[in-house]
Amino acid sequence: DVKVTQSSRYLVKRTGEKVFLECVQDMDHENMFWYRQDPGLGLRLIYFSYDVKMKEKGDIPEGYSVSREKKERFSLILESASTNQTSMYLCASSPRKRSISLHFGNGTRLTVT
Amino acid sequence: QKEVEQDPGPLSVPEGAIVSLNCTYSNSAFQYFMWYRQYSRKGPELLMYTYSSGNKEDGRFTAQVDKSSKYISLFIRDSQPSDSATYLCAMSGKDSSYKLIFGSGTRLLVRP
Repeated sequence: DVKVTQSSRYLVKRTGEKVFLECVQDMDHENMFWYRQDPGLGLRLIYFSYDVKMKEKGDIPEGYSVSREKKERFSLILESASTNQTSMYLCASSPRKRSISLHFGNGTRLTVT
Repeated sequence: QKEVEQDPGPLSVPEGAIVSLNCTYSNSAFQYFMWYRQYSRKGPELLMYTYSSGNKEDGRFTAQVDKSSKYISLFIRDSQPSDSATYLCAMSGKDSSYKLIFGSGTRLLVRP
């Protein structure tokens, strides 16, 4: 079974802090994704990566950056956290040839105060 | 207008009922149609997917796609309390299959 592990279940940060959300997958998947999930808005893609050191912007990249130095690890960075970034963040991975089959972590609930 | 619309529910049914979950979409380029299930405090998991039009059955679950109406459905037969979850539809184009567009999810409660 694919396992996607997100480092924290809950995080509380202050406005202006730099925040790191970490994600690790153990199935050698090429693709990795960061989504945020908000009530009524569903899942929205922030960034994705299809290879080490490669990244592509999703639909809502503003205020975020990512890092993928190793194949199994994909980090989401909030450069200066703001209250409108309070959300559930979900990391996912998928194999290159079956990219629609996303395997999600259990999410990090981030609260910015 | 959102690209994918989904009624948020909640939808409450008695055990054993047939459940119908639906999504509409506006982008005619969508070719992959997926249903993800999300239990409380968990990440979504892929339940079924269909390429282009038609039906697909897997046990108690049937996915239908009507591209002419831009409408997709998930039917659950003999629903069980363990089916209680949020169901998210998702879609993508053939040339950008990695970029899924998700509906907002329908919360389903199956009462014992």
